[in-house]
Amino acid sequence: EAQVTQNPRYLITVTGKKLTVTCSQNMNHEYMSWYRQDPGLGLRQIYYSMNVEVTDKGDVPEGYKVSRKEKRNFPLILESPSPNQTSLYFCASSSPGVAGSNTGELFFGEGSRLTVL
Amino acid sequence: GENVEQHPSTLSVQEGDSAVIKCTYSDSASNYFPWYKQELGKGPQLIIDIRSNVGEKKDQRIAVTLNKTAKHFSLHITETQPEDSAVYFCAAVNDYKLSFGAGTTVTVRA
Repeated sequence: EAQVTQNPRYLITVTGKKLTVTCSQNMNHEYMSWYRQDPGLGLRQIYYSMNVEVTDKGDVPEGYKVSRKEKRNFPLILESPSPNQTSLYFCASSSPGVAGSNTGELFFGEGSRLTVL
Repeated sequence: GENVEQHPSTLSVQEGDSAVIKCTYSDSASNYFPWYKQELGKGPQLIIDIRSNVGEKKDQRIAVTLNKTAKHFSLHITETQPEDSAVYFCAAVNDYKLSFGAGTTVTVRA
């Protein structure tokens, strides 16, 4: 079954304790990206990756790191989490789009709800 | 950067009526406009999309229109059903960067 898998789905942590949210896709997609979803703000792009070893910042990258060492995995790293990073996080992947767009349909994971105390 | 505004934030419709959600964007370089539906506890799923070289696209009860000159696009759902109740997001895509609207919570009353 084609899917994007995120772990953990739920996490409560404390300020400053490094954590990693993993994301893996089995569709051989080149493009992967991370979003955070907050009430009233919709989904905001944190980082994206066009392919292995190629990443770039989205709209809200501060406080986050990513890496893309393998095509299927795109972990999100919070080196020193703070309470303002409490949010619902989504990973997504996509194959290239058509007609001039570099992105096609995004396939989202189920989400990871993170609480930073 | 791109700024996408979405209205209304909530929409309640009677079953069988139509629902319309509108979005505007700021970056004229955006060339792909998808719509996603998010059900409770799940990740968003694509329901329809439109590219900048097309003005309108329809898929059964769902249609999307795009006005590039005015920089706005709309989602139309006809003959709404209870399973249409969800949060809907519009997005504007430029190259690899996606900007989403804040979302519209649609409730279909039986």
